[in-house]
Amino acid sequence: EVQLVESGGGLVQPGGSLRLSCAASGFTFSTYSMNWVRQAPGKGLEWVSYISSSGGTIDYPDSVLGRFTVSRDNAKNSLYLQMNSLTAEDTAVYYCARVARDTAMSTAYFDSWGQGTLVTVSS
Amino acid sequence: SYVLTQPPSVSVAPGKTARITCGGNNVGSKSVHWYQQRPGQAPVVVIYYDNDRPSGIPERFSGSNSGNTATLTISGVEAGDEADYYCQVWDSRSDEYVFGTGTKVTVL
Repeated sequence: EVQLVESGGGLVQPGGSLRLSCAASGFTFSTYSMNWVRQAPGKGLEWVSYISSSGGTIDYPDSVLGRFTVSRDNAKNSLYLQMNSLTAEDTAVYYCARVARDTAMSTAYFDSWGQGTLVTVSS
Repeated sequence: SYVLTQPPSVSVAPGKTARITCGGNNVGSKSVHWYQQRPGQAPVVVIYYDNDRPSGIPERFSGSNSGNTATLTISGVEAGDEADYYCQVWDSRSDEYVFGTGTKVTVL
């Protein structure tokens, strides 16, 4: 069974930093591209980052570019999101999501999601 | 940036058909995927590549995509279909994944 378990969320002050983790199990993690997707309270879904299976291709939307860094450790079956210079607008539940196998980046969809971890940015 | 517009809400009686639209500039040229998100839960893909269903998703769920509108159709709606639904595409101009604004489906 595919499992994605996020951790590392919590309360952080504006301007602060936080590192999220996503532990994967039940599949060969090193062969799948991964993403982070967030959802502000009562709002819709927003894509936050993409990383290819090898880590060689990484992408971000403009809203987090330069502040967030995605990485992975295939030996540990883990995905990470380093978030810096956080603002109240970054308050959200953060999901890790797996890209369906054998899909090009341009047509990719997310076939497995974790349950999310809540990040609250507030003083 | 690319925008996908969905109606905020759709109401439907049990057993009837719900249609959820996803409007975007020339969205028919893109692959559209649809996700269901029940309250307090993570999203689940219900349609991918415009009209393919993952295993375990009922045949009641179908999709279409042409011109400037993609549509998710839920036939024979059941109480368990009550959820938020999001469309999603890849925008090649901005190199970003884009989600629609979301539609809340209420079963009367």
